[in-house]
Amino acid sequence: ETGVTQTPRHLVMGMTNKKSLKCEQHLGHNAMYWYKQSAKKPLELMFVYSLEERVENNSVPSRFSPECPNSSHLFLHLHTLQPEDSALYLCASSLGLAGVRYTGELFFGEGSRLTVL
Amino acid sequence: AQTVTQSQPEMSVQEAETVTLSCTYDTSESDYYLFWYKQPPSRQMILVIRQEAYKQQNATENRFSVNFQKAAKSFSLKISDSQLGDAAMYFCAYSDNAGNMLTFGGGTRLMVKP
Repeated sequence: ETGVTQTPRHLVMGMTNKKSLKCEQHLGHNAMYWYKQSAKKPLELMFVYSLEERVENNSVPSRFSPECPNSSHLFLHLHTLQPEDSALYLCASSLGLAGVRYTGELFFGEGSRLTVL
Repeated sequence: AQTVTQSQPEMSVQEAETVTLSCTYDTSESDYYLFWYKQPPSRQMILVIRQEAYKQQNATENRFSVNFQKAAKSFSLKISDSQLGDAAMYFCAYSDNAGNMLTFGGGTRLMVKP
């Protein structure tokens, strides 16, 4: 089983829908991330959680709402999205954010391809 | 803020040949990490190689090696004996050691010709 699992792999939604992306990590990591990957743009960090507490929110619109119920699970709730939100959403995890456990290395899921009509 | 620049949107290499992907970065820190990540088509991104800035020796991982030039803020990836499975997007990334998040470059798409 892969270390970081994302579901669904593909999602098509209208602008008025509400959907959620799910991420689960089986690596015993303490930090989890959401990244947005759009064509011809660098990966954009959206949210970071460390030990279930949000530590970073990179000016993401409120139509994206993260949830981290425990250190193994991360959700991204989506509502009233825009067509420009169509992208690949990547979840990642790491051992920690800083200190002795920090290595800087991220472990990624395969991503959820979102299309907003 | 740190920035990472990959000036080559696409590269191609003949199978079994060697290719070098370029990356430059900007930082005022003296201690940091640099990474190359590989993202195959429709597959998850994985770490290829990592370099800690305080180490002068260039990192190597089998056919993958880096040329780390700290003063020039350059971090290139060399792939030797290229294989068809090396075809992917390659991302250069930077992280300081204070827990600040990875900053990624725009990526280089590598094509391997049989």
